Amino acid sequence: QVQLKQSGAEVKKPGASVMLSCEASGYTFTSYYIHWMRQAPGQGLEWMGIINPSGGGTSYAQKFQDRVTLTRDTSTSTVFMEMSSLRSEDTAVYYCANSETSGPFDYWGQGTLVTVSS
Amino acid sequence: DIVMTQSPDSLAVSLGERATINCKSSQSILYSSNNKNYLAWYQQRAGQPPKLLIYWASTRESGVPDRFSGSGSATDFTLTITSLQAEDVAVYYCQQYFGTPPTFGQGTKVEIK
Repeated sequence: QVQLKQSGAEVKKPGASVMLSCEASGYTFTSYYIHWMRQAPGQGLEWMGIINPSGGGTSYAQKFQDRVTLTRDTSTSTVFMEMSSLRSEDTAVYYCANSETSGPFDYWGQGTLVTVSS
Repeated sequence: DIVMTQSPDSLAVSLGERATINCKSSQSILYSSNNKNYLAWYQQRAGQPPKLLIYWASTRESGVPDRFSGSGSATDFTLTITSLQAEDVAVYYCQQYFGTPPTFGQGTKVEIK
């Protein structure tokens, strides 16, 4: 069955960077895009960016253009999301999800809580 | 960016009764070339990731109970839950995947009255 398994919770200080992972299984990794979203406590869903695991091409929300980098490792079917210059407002649960080209988000990871606090 | 606006923000419905959630997009998300509305609905139970319920505005995802249905076109969409069950307590989000970035509504919280 399709699974997206995300890495564990992180606690970071303001100004630090964090790298999260999303390991795909149960389907052909290079056949589906991977998106990243975040959800601040009690808030809605915010799309951050997308990566095409086949060629590695990426696109980011303008808000995250300068701070987020998505990469992938096809040998382990894993996508990585690195965010730099963390601030308290980045405290949120971060989700990965997959989709076909121009499609809905079919499967979601379980989420990773990132807490930014001094 | 396409703005998605849901109404109401929350609603309380008695068990077995109907729940209706509306979603409006700031521009049409109907692609004329294939006549498809690029609109999805997700359910998020407390402490869980979102789960895809409906896509192309009205296509139910495999395994989703048929009490969930989606309708609408262009800019106005509706998610209907007929005969609300206890396990339907959740926040529901609409999402457009017509444009980049894909955007979500603010969510509608459904509770039992």
